[in-house]
This record gives sequence, structure tokens and C-alpha cells, in this order.
Amino acid sequence: QVQLQQSGPGLVKPSQTLSLTCAISGDSVSSNNADWAWIRQSPSRGLEWLGRTYYRSKWFTDYAVSVKSRITINPDTSKNQFSLQLNSVTPEDTAVYYCTRGGASEYWGQGTLVIVSS
Amino acid sequence: DIVMTQSPDSLAVSLGERATINCKSSQSLLYSFNNKNHLAWYQQKPGQPPKLLFSWASTRASGVPDRFSGSGSGTDFTLTISNLQAEDVAVYYCQQYYGPPLTFGGGTKVEIK
Repeated sequence: QVQLQQSGPGLVKPSQTLSLTCAISGDSVSSNNADWAWIRQSPSRGLEWLGRTYYRSKWFTDYAVSVKSRITINPDTSKNQFSLQLNSVTPEDTAVYYCTRGGASEYWGQGTLVIVSS
Repeated sequence: DIVMTQSPDSLAVSLGERATINCKSSQSLLYSFNNKNHLAWYQQKPGQPPKLLFSWASTRASGVPDRFSGSGSGTDFTLTISNLQAEDVAVYYCQQYYGPPLTFGGGTKVEIK
């Protein structure tokens, strides 16, 4: 059974960097038939896919245009996890952040409410 | 980006009756490579992450009751809940995974009349 466990701070100051980690059990971040994504949800923006990383003989990433200049998603094979970094956050980045596996996502992390506020 | 449009925004249905939710994509989600529609349906209850109901438009996820059904192809899709139960009160979302960026519909809130 695949499980995704998120960790990271729930409060970030404006202009700083939001950092979250998603630890994977029951699967591998290096799997050749899975991708690993971050999705956020807010009342104003609904469910918003932010980006993904996946391994197909080499590593690939895709990012949403809306955050492309500020986002990095990195795999960590030594810890079997992947991370999200979102730079230069504003209050509009306040949301519940989820990590997921796959396009049709059967597996989700528990969600992390991140509030951007001074 | 592929735009996903759901209708209605909300609906109230009597217990035991049928709820029908529509989802329209701005381009076809039928991928010629595998002849499958890259469309998923999710159910979300308060305080929980979305739960996958269907992938490939009509393939029911494990444990999903058979009163839920998914149909459609190309750009037009439907989620039907037959014999609505109290535990089906939730917000339902469609999502395309045809290609990045993956995008979601705005959601449909289902309530009991």
C-alpha cells in the first residue's frame, strides 16, 4: 500500500521560500511508471496542479506556467521522497498543499495548510 | 492549457434518487496512442484530500460503490450517482491528465434535498 507523508512548516513569511517534503512508502520515487506531483487547493484558485517529477531512464520535471519562475520539485532517491520549493511567496500562495502519485491520483498526502503571513 | 468546465456548480438530490454531473474539456482527452480518455473523477469531503473515483473516464477505482458510474469520451463526460446515499454528500471534481499542466474542473457540490 502506497503512503505519502508530508512535512514542512505551516506558516511562511511573504517573500520567503515555502518548502515541503513528501516521504514515500510502498513505492519508489525512481519508479519508471509513476510520477510525483504537487497540487494545491484554495477557495480562490480551486485545485491547482503545480508540477511533477518522474524518472524514465533520466529525471524529468514539468511545472505549471503560473509558478514556473518560482518553483522547484526535486526527487531525493536516498530518502525516497520528493520536495517542493516555492520562492518569493505572497498571501496568494496561501493554500492546502498536497503531494500525489500519478496523473489519476489514487494516492495523496494528508495535506498541509500553508499560510503566507507576516 | 486544457480548460475543464463542470456543471452544475451544485445540486440537491433526494435520497435514493440520481445525481448527474457533467464535465466538458476544451480539447479532446482521447489519446490515440492508447485509445483511452485521460479523465479522472474525484470525491472530496471536508478536511480530506480528494479521493479517486474513476480513471480513464469510466474505470472505477478500488472500493468505489457501483452506484457510481463514469461515462463519456472526447470532450464530454458524465459522473452519475444512482440511488444517492447520505455519505455521498461531497464536492466532485473532474481532472484531465492528458498532458501537463493537469487541470481540474471547478467542482460540483452534491447535497441532500
